[in-house]
Amino acid sequence: NAGVMQNPRHLVRRRGQEARLRCSPVKGHSHVYWYRQLPEEGLKFMVYLQKENIIDESGMPKERFSAEFPKEGPSILRIQQVVRGDSAAYFCASSLGQEEVYEQYFGPGTRLTVT
Amino acid sequence: AQSVTQLDSQVPVFEEAPVELRCNYSSSVSVYLFWYVQYPNQGLQLLLKYLSGSTLVKGINGFEAEFNKSQTSFHLRKPSVHISDTAEYFCAVSDRGGGYQKVTFGTGTKLQVIP
Repeated sequence: NAGVMQNPRHLVRRRGQEARLRCSPVKGHSHVYWYRQLPEEGLKFMVYLQKENIIDESGMPKERFSAEFPKEGPSILRIQQVVRGDSAAYFCASSLGQEEVYEQYFGPGTRLTVT
Repeated sequence: AQSVTQLDSQVPVFEEAPVELRCNYSSSVSVYLFWYVQYPNQGLQLLLKYLSGSTLVKGINGFEAEFNKSQTSFHLRKPSVHISDTAEYFCAVSDRGGGYQKVTFGTGTKLQVIP
């Protein structure tokens, strides 16, 4: 009975390095959302993906950030050349369907620290 | 654009006392409303949601919330809190008719139950 799994739970990167965050949705879910929580702020929508498709990336910074959800394997959020301002908790959520009535199930988050 | 305001960042309350966590939202369209709870080092868990129908919504763990359209509020209440309710609570909103849940979260309210 696995829920949404995210790894790693904690990630430390030096400025300029790449960060890769993984999200395995609930089994059978093909819709994935990524959110970012900066210190003392609420979660902010970043991107919504279905298998092999990016549906809405309006919340993603234009540079250095990318996301994918391949046909096989977990969804990946990649941050290139990280900066201190990228330090945050990144949450992934999955849902069974696209429609608004479907609940989003959240993972425990990855806490990224950029030194 | 939507926004969610949770005015109280922390709410201390004695065990078995009632509690109300306040939430106000703004949106130019009709919305869905949610309350999530986050226990330490865990992901968000859905407490309750308002999609349509009765404005009084009952959720898990004895919580309920009332949708007030004229005051654009969705306050969360529990008549008698338990130590295990100590957690952070997030109010959230998503626009109706968007086709999928693009959720906007408040900054959270930390509920501290005092024995």
